[in-house]
Amino acid sequence: GAVVSQHPSWVICKSGTSVKIECRSLDFQATTMFWYRQFPKKSLMLMATSNEGSKATYEQGVEKDKFLINHASLTLSTLTVTSAHPEDSSFYICSARDTREGAYNEQFFGPGTRLTVL
Amino acid sequence: GIQVEQSPPDLILQEGANSTLRCNFSDSVNNLQWFHQNPWGQLINLFYIPSGTKQNGRLSATTVATERYSLLYISSSQTTDSGVYFCAVVNSGNTPLVFGKGTRLSVIA
Repeated sequence: GAVVSQHPSWVICKSGTSVKIECRSLDFQATTMFWYRQFPKKSLMLMATSNEGSKATYEQGVEKDKFLINHASLTLSTLTVTSAHPEDSSFYICSARDTREGAYNEQFFGPGTRLTVL
Repeated sequence: GIQVEQSPPDLILQEGANSTLRCNFSDSVNNLQWFHQNPWGQLINLFYIPSGTKQNGRLSATTVATERYSLLYISSSQTTDSGVYFCAVVNSGNTPLVFGKGTRLSVIA
């Protein structure tokens, strides 16, 4: 299967600072990547769809000015949490769809980034 | 949007037991995937199964698309099977996966 990496795996920051999370597709190109958020003992909630070379599409209720998404290349999408506050503490997971021939558009996930804002 | 319901929400098994997890969805799908989320949060792809039956070792899955449900079978469960099992679907086109709430499985020795 395809491999998606995320960095960092965990981060602790002070309230008011910005945090950047990277998501990379290692063995395939991804024109589209997805960012999810997961609270403890809850399911994954889609935050936004990241499109290479164009603006991201945000889900209803997600602040685009707080969660900046940049998809600058076919293998890299970044999520920046700006002016982070304790309520932004969560587990952020990215994913990419493997569109190579024979891959059936199966979606693969990164290992996640645990953000704690003090 | 499409709704995904998983049952049971929680399941405790003795090691060696078999189990069946269910996923119901409210509309037609062109993609259905089963995942296992391990204790560290990593989502592990188990099956891509919008229809039909697949098997991989002790795990197998069946999706009956016309009746809008999928089943995940775990046989001879092991403690390492513990974690949360998610079903996720794509309704149409290249829209992202929509997740159910998951089934939390605990296998005890």
